Amino acid sequence: AQSVTQLGSHVSVSEGALVLLRCNYSSSVPPYLFWYVQYPNQGLQLLLKYTTGATLVKGINGFEAEFKKSETSFHLTKPSAHMSDAAEYFCAVRGGYNKLIFGAGTRLAVHP
Amino acid sequence: EPEVTQTPSHQVTQMGQEVILRCVPISNHLYFYWYRQILGQKVEFLVSFYNNEISEKSEIFDDQFSVERPDGSNFTLKIRSTKLEDSAMYFCASSDGGGTGNEQFFGPGTRLTVL
Repeated sequence: AQSVTQLGSHVSVSEGALVLLRCNYSSSVPPYLFWYVQYPNQGLQLLLKYTTGATLVKGINGFEAEFKKSETSFHLTKPSAHMSDAAEYFCAVRGGYNKLIFGAGTRLAVHP
Repeated sequence: EPEVTQTPSHQVTQMGQEVILRCVPISNHLYFYWYRQILGQKVEFLVSFYNNEISEKSEIFDDQFSVERPDGSNFTLKIRSTKLEDSAMYFCASSDGGGTGNEQFFGPGTRLTVL
């Protein structure tokens, strides 16, 4: 069975600083991994996904994530945080019948 | 840009009442999903639906829940007799294929409050 663990329910960074949101997964099959972002009062928007191929995946809004099989990780990074990045971020792994299995989420705060 | 829509945005109901949450998936999508998020908890899968039948359901999706695609555009989630613990944000999602790389597009959610 698949599962996802997100380390840190709240992360706070200064504007312009590096953003690092951690995600570890467990999967008995090669994983398909996703990062979604949720802005206040909105639905979930896909940031990026890893299926096969290149392990460094680039997404929208300057975010990227690296799939590391040896570490069972898929951490999300952005070199320079912007105030508009403040949101909740969810890591997910694809389960059976294409359902998504989500982590608990990390709320990112960006301060001036 | 096409999007998934959900109505109502907020539903308040009394315990024991039936509620129907409505979703309009993206028009050419074939796979439909419901998820829920209890306040402060993770987003949880409820059910997936394809070709007018349920593909998979979670243990949360008991006999009190049902889904339907009554016409070519709507996808509904019915809770027959609501309980306090059904209070949550309910998200509808759709995708254009069953392939594991296909993106699921999410609606903005319906916040259900059971009193």
